[in-house]
Parts: sequence; C-alpha cells; structure tokens
Amino acid sequence: DAGVTQSPTHLIKTRGQQVTLRCSPKSGHDTVSWYQQALGQGPQFIFQYYEEEERQRGNFPDRFSGHQFPNYSSELNVNALLLGDSALYLCASSLPAGTGRSPLHFGNGTRLTVT
Amino acid sequence: AQSVAQPEDQVNVAEGNPLTVKCTYSVSGNPYLFWYVQYPNRGLQFLLKYITGDNLVKGSYGFEAEFNKSQTSFHLKKPSALVSDSALYFCAVRDEWWYTGTGGGNKLTFGTGTQLKVEL
Repeated sequence: DAGVTQSPTHLIKTRGQQVTLRCSPKSGHDTVSWYQQALGQGPQFIFQYYEEEERQRGNFPDRFSGHQFPNYSSELNVNALLLGDSALYLCASSLPAGTGRSPLHFGNGTRLTVT
Repeated sequence: AQSVAQPEDQVNVAEGNPLTVKCTYSVSGNPYLFWYVQYPNRGLQFLLKYITGDNLVKGSYGFEAEFNKSQTSFHLKKPSALVSDSALYFCAVRDEWWYTGTGGGNKLTFGTGTQLKVEL
C-alpha cells in the first residue's frame, strides 16, 4: 500500500519563477493538505483540499495556490518565487472528512531552493 | 487560535535511560494532540495521538505520551531510549472547535521541534 508520494524530490528555481509541486495521497484518503517547513522550523499549514475545493487556508499570500483532482491527487503552485520560499514542502493526506480525529500521513517532501 | 510550545530545542539522553520530550498547548475547545518524528531529509512519521479517554497514550516504537489537561501538557516519553531514536520530534495540536465536519478544519499546528540525541 503506497503512502503519500510527492514529486519532484528536489527543485532549484530562480527568483520570480513559478513552480508546481505534486502529491498523490495515501490509498483511501481523500483530504490533502500542504505544509511549508523552513530550515529549523516546524511545518506551517498552507491550505487543505477536499472534494476539489480549498477548505481552509493558512497565513500564506495568494502567490500560493493549489488544486485537487478527481483522483484526490493535488498540486501546489507558487508564483513569483522569493528567496524566502526556499523550504521543504510537505504534502499530507488523511481519512475521509468526518474523521477529524485521524492523524495526517506525510510524504517525504519536495525540497525547493530559490536562488 | 491554537498553538504549541516545545520549550527544549535539544534533549540529550544516554541509551537505556528514560527520555521525556516536553510539549504544552493552547486551544479554545478540546484538543486533539499528536506526536510526529522526522528523520533527516524525510517527511513526518506519526507516533501517537490523544483524542479522548485515558491520559496515558501508547504509540509506535515503545513511545507513550501523558496528557495533562490542568497543565495543558502532552509530554512524550519512552522508558528506555535507543540510539536509533535520535531524530527531530514535533508535537502538534488540532482544535476540535475548528473541525467543521465538511472537509475543513483538519489543520495541525506544530511546535518548533525538539532534537533528541541518544548517545551510547
């Protein structure tokens, strides 16, 4: 049973560029969340998707956007990249909504470096 | 708002000794509490959770955590540490109040992490 998979594992971009990160949730999960983990920090919530809609959003600018597809996979898009966007981006999935007590299952992340 | 504090950046323990990693939280409603572990260049791995019931929760790899409502704490413990336990540990909280039951409110708020170093 595959867990949460993310691609690519590493990415180097230049300031001002745009990036797309991809995530496939764990089998049986339909809710996907994205987190940003800066070096030496805990993960920070970006947003959560369920039924192809953004359901909750953290304190991130509109440059951060996402999408969820009918097969529950998800993309995170970041426009106009800044040096400060350099971080590990983690995707997490969870059991169907209605089970708010379930833990999140994380992928191994995408390491984004902005130069 | 929900928040988590992990007061220790690093905890050093000798192998075979008990370990404790501290966590305190703040929520408006009832807390759902979680511990995760992160190995270098990897994602977060779920260890255990407290939702309701017994204050002592048992999880993976021999870890357990004690929920204390009056002290708003959820400390991670293990009776006998192993060198392989060395990793970065995160406490996280979800506020039951925010769970909407409509696919929203799944957000976890994490602490800043505690680096556990277990030495021979």
